[in-house]
Amino acid sequence: SQELEQSPQSLIVQEGKNLTINCTSSKTLYGLYWYKQKYGEGLIFLMMLQKGGEEKSHEKITAKLDEKKQQSSLHITASQPSHAGIYLCGADLNPGGGADGLTFGKGTHLIIQP
Amino acid sequence: GAGVSQSPRYKVAKRGQDVALRCDPISGHVSLFWYQQALGQGPEFLTYFQNEAQLDKSGLPSDRFFAERPEGSVSTLKIQRTQQEDSAVYLCASSLAGLVWNEQFFGPGTRLTVL
Repeated sequence: SQELEQSPQSLIVQEGKNLTINCTSSKTLYGLYWYKQKYGEGLIFLMMLQKGGEEKSHEKITAKLDEKKQQSSLHITASQPSHAGIYLCGADLNPGGGADGLTFGKGTHLIIQP
Repeated sequence: GAGVSQSPRYKVAKRGQDVALRCDPISGHVSLFWYQQALGQGPEFLTYFQNEAQLDKSGLPSDRFFAERPEGSVSTLKIQRTQQEDSAVYLCASSLAGLVWNEQFFGPGTRLTVL
């Protein structure tokens, strides 16, 4: 089974509307990263949330980490065409302070309708 | 400031051929990661270097996969005797130091197609 589950798998939203993407881990989270990917391109870093519960915002994107639920949510306010793409959550599931490879969800494909 | 670069961007190989994929991390970045991303999936971790030391290769799918970073900067991922199931995008990422809280910067990837 997938260690990181993202929902929904795909999302079609009218421009200007708000939306939320969720990422749930089956294991303890030691760090949670949100990335955006456009087809044929690499991953663009959005935000990083540390263990202990945290909320960060950048422009119209807010990410939260619920430590008890081992879950993170990414919320976009007043969506724009530039928000379209694939959103990936990545997590460090290994204890310890050293760098580790991230475990990723399958991604949420976001389409913004004009 | 250049980001992570990868070459080639696209590679087509016949089944059984060997391929070598190159990653140039951001200058000064200690940690380097390789990931494999199949179509419609999230990236899957392959291996990790801290400087020239390969600290984790638990994600390499078979002994046909080999990675090196001899001088602690540029890295090469080599796949021997390619198979069709090796077709994927291979992503490289680097981070400043060997700490879990450092952001991983990703390159554009190399799309490998094995015929």
